[in-house]
Amino acid sequence: DAKTTQPPSMDCAEGRAANLPCNHSTISGNEYVYWYRQIHSQGPQYIIHGLKNNETNEMASLIITEDRKSSTLILPHATLRDTAVYYCIVTSGGSNYKLTFGKGTLLTVNP
Amino acid sequence: ETGVTQTPRHLVMGMTNKKSLKCEQHLGHNAMYWYKQSAKKPLELMFVYSLEERVENNSVPSRFSPECPNSSHLFLHLHTLQPEDSALYLCASSRTQGEAFFGQGTRLTVV
Repeated sequence: DAKTTQPPSMDCAEGRAANLPCNHSTISGNEYVYWYRQIHSQGPQYIIHGLKNNETNEMASLIITEDRKSSTLILPHATLRDTAVYYCIVTSGGSNYKLTFGKGTLLTVNP
Repeated sequence: ETGVTQTPRHLVMGMTNKKSLKCEQHLGHNAMYWYKQSAKKPLELMFVYSLEERVENNSVPSRFSPECPNSSHLFLHLHTLQPEDSALYLCASSRTQGEAFFGQGTRLTVV
């Protein structure tokens, strides 16, 4: 699976959009980009995933660059409860499907 | 509530004890995972089961022994653990592609 690079921490004001970047320059054609988050001492929570098109759901939007070497997770209106570690993971499906977590980005939403 | 249930939520055991962690899912998933999360470290993938066959074992010491009797249940048998094995143990399940669902974890303390 391709490796990912994320900033260790970011801050965001409550009510503003949080934009979390991820670099995955070695991604291959069949690999998806997944985002999860982990609120302190809880199990990780799935947010969104995509292959090459931008995706949106009730939690967030995922913007993937045309060359697929980077992506951005957007939380449109961050709340205090969005404070968590956010993980960007690249993986293929099928029998090799697994999620390998890095250090992620600690997003702190400030009042 | 993610649909993945782990028991117990907390466990304190001595180094000579034998205990088991249990994970259960009724989401129709065919892959299940054990992760370990030590303090201030990323999640480490320990074991992967796909269609009840172990497909990955990431150099985990033999004092950790997984068991997957059917597609809905996963166990982690523990014996003669060390204090450094104290951690949050997380179970997850998924299909062979798509989002994974995590349990709330078992907080293990080895004394």
